[in-house]
Amino acid sequence: DGGITQSPKYLFRKEGQNVTLSCEQNLNHDAMYWYRQDPGQGLRLIYYSQIVNDFQKGDIAEGYSVSREKKESFPLTVTSAQKNPTAFYLCASSARDSKETQYFGPGTRLLVL
Amino acid sequence: QKEVEQNSGPLSVPEGAIASLNCTYSDRGSQSFFWYRQYSGKSPELIMFIYSNGDKEDGRFTAQLNKASQYVSLLIRDSQPSDSATYLCAGTGGTSYGKLTFGQGTILTVHP
Repeated sequence: DGGITQSPKYLFRKEGQNVTLSCEQNLNHDAMYWYRQDPGQGLRLIYYSQIVNDFQKGDIAEGYSVSREKKESFPLTVTSAQKNPTAFYLCASSARDSKETQYFGPGTRLLVL
Repeated sequence: QKEVEQNSGPLSVPEGAIASLNCTYSDRGSQSFFWYRQYSGKSPELIMFIYSNGDKEDGRFTAQLNKASQYVSLLIRDSQPSDSATYLCAGTGGTSYGKLTFGQGTILTVHP
């Protein structure tokens, strides 16, 4: 069953804590993306990666970090430097020859305790 | 700042009517445009993409692109209550491969 999986579905962060959100895809897509969505807002790009071992900052990268050690995986760490992390986090992927069409995982909702 | 702007909502239409969702973009280099549907609490799902001027039809959905006017629209014919959702318009960056810029979304309600 091909697709994009994200875990956990809900994540609670304590003050000063780093947390990592998982994103895995078995679609053999080259590119992967992380977005943040706040209530009533569109999606804002955090980081993206077009190839293994390479990634670029998006529009709101401060307070976040990523890695791309495997084609299938693109984890996002929300660091303690991100002062307002409560949001819906969405991972997406796309194939190189797909006119840049992006497909989304189910999302992780991050809440601050 | 390259932007994608969607018509302000929320939009309410009766069941069976045509719903018209509109989007303008500022980056003339944008090549491809996408419409996503997002149900409350869920992730966006792709409805249609369009990259050539004109109309593209898929079932009850028609996407329209006018690059001269920098305008993209989505028409939903025979609207159903199950079409009630937030619709997101997105466009690619002309020089930034793979980056999508999203509009803020338009909430559509189809009432019986």
